Amino acid sequence: LAKTTQPISMDSYEGQEVNITCSHNNIATNDYITWYQQFPSQGPRFIIQGYKTKVTNEVASLFIPADRKSSTLSLPRVSLSDTAVYYCLVAYGGATNKLIFGTGTLLAVQP
Amino acid sequence: EAGVAQSPRYKIIEKRQSVAFWCNPISGHATLYWYQQILGQGPKLLIQFQNNGVVDDSQLPKDRFSAERLKGVDSTLKIQPAKLEDSAVYLCASSLDLGPYSGNTIYFGEGSWLTVV
Repeated sequence: LAKTTQPISMDSYEGQEVNITCSHNNIATNDYITWYQQFPSQGPRFIIQGYKTKVTNEVASLFIPADRKSSTLSLPRVSLSDTAVYYCLVAYGGATNKLIFGTGTLLAVQP
Repeated sequence: EAGVAQSPRYKIIEKRQSVAFWCNPISGHATLYWYQQILGQGPKLLIQFQNNGVVDDSQLPKDRFSAERLKGVDSTLKIQPAKLEDSAVYLCASSLDLGPYSGNTIYFGEGSWLTVV
């Protein structure tokens, strides 16, 4: 049974780098990980997606280690407006063939 | 580019009543998803369509939930009769092709909030 877990919550201060980890069964080499940000009363908003070692866009980076048993969302220099719940979504291919969301991490950014 | 549209945004009904939610996906997106998100939890996939066909409905409580996607565009999710535990946000989402299985992103609407009293 595919399982995808995240820390329940994290605290940070403005200007710091934040790393949020998603632990999952070891995924195949071409299984994608997607990260979303969700504010109260809104739908999840796309942040970043990838399947390789490192992916970077203008707002975040995604790291997937060689054993592919976890992935990490890295947010550089967070601000108060980054306070939200962050979810990973794992596209398990092969025999599993399921899209499974992580348990979600509430990030609280303080001044 | 317009996003995923959903209506109504909020609905309060009594248990045993029925409710329907409507979704209009992003133009050109072949795949449409309905998720249920209970407060404090991650979204759970209820049903996935590719064009008109159902790809995955393994977690849809078929005794009370139904969904259709006529003409491969808009979709409707219905609950009848509703139970207290159906109180949740119902999120519609869409993607190109097979979504993350083919490297495409799933985009979500703002959700329809259901309270069953």
